[in-house]
Amino acid sequence: QVQLQQSGAELVKPGSSVKISCKASGYTFTSYDMHWIKQQPGNGLEWIGWIYPGNGNTKYNQKFNGKATLTADKSSSTAYMQLSSLTSEDSAVYFCAREGGITPFDYWGQGVMVTVSS
Amino acid sequence: DIVMTQAPLSVSVTPGESASISCRSSKSLLHSNGITYVYWYLQKPGKSPQLLIYRMSNLASGVPDRFSGSGSETDFTLKISRVEAEDVGIYYCGQLLENPWTFGGGTKLELK
Repeated sequence: QVQLQQSGAELVKPGSSVKISCKASGYTFTSYDMHWIKQQPGNGLEWIGWIYPGNGNTKYNQKFNGKATLTADKSSSTAYMQLSSLTSEDSAVYFCAREGGITPFDYWGQGVMVTVSS
Repeated sequence: DIVMTQAPLSVSVTPGESASISCRSSKSLLHSNGITYVYWYLQKPGKSPQLLIYRMSNLASGVPDRFSGSGSETDFTLKISRVEAEDVGIYYCGQLLENPWTFGGGTKLELK
């Protein structure tokens, strides 16, 4: 069965960077886009961007250009998102979600809570 | 960016009754290919969102047929008939027509 297993919670300092992971299993990792979505406490969902692990192509929400960098490792079926120059506004839960073709975001990771605090 | 506006912010429903959630987009979500790119997701308490409805009116795999989606080019409705305890959570509509993909602010469904 399809599973997306994300890395653990992060507590990071303002101005630093963090890299979170999303390990996929149960399907052909290189055949589906992987999306990343941000959810701030008590807030809705904000789409960050996607990566196609087959060739590394990416597409970003312009708002996250320079903030988020998406990569993927085909050998380990793992997608990564690095967030840089962190501020309190980056404190949120970050989800990875598979692009299921006609059924987008058909599978989600459990989410990673990133807390930016000194 | 396309703005998705949901109403109401919250709804309280007696189990067994029906509930409707509205979503309005700031731009038509009807593509020239005839597909309307609006989706509905449910986030149960403490869980990740799950897909309910895709392309306005299609039920996702494993979703009970108590859920249905309908609408026009800019106005959409999610209807839940015979609400059950497992339906509690926050419902989001989303548009996947244009970058950036955007979501509504969510509607919280509670039981009376």
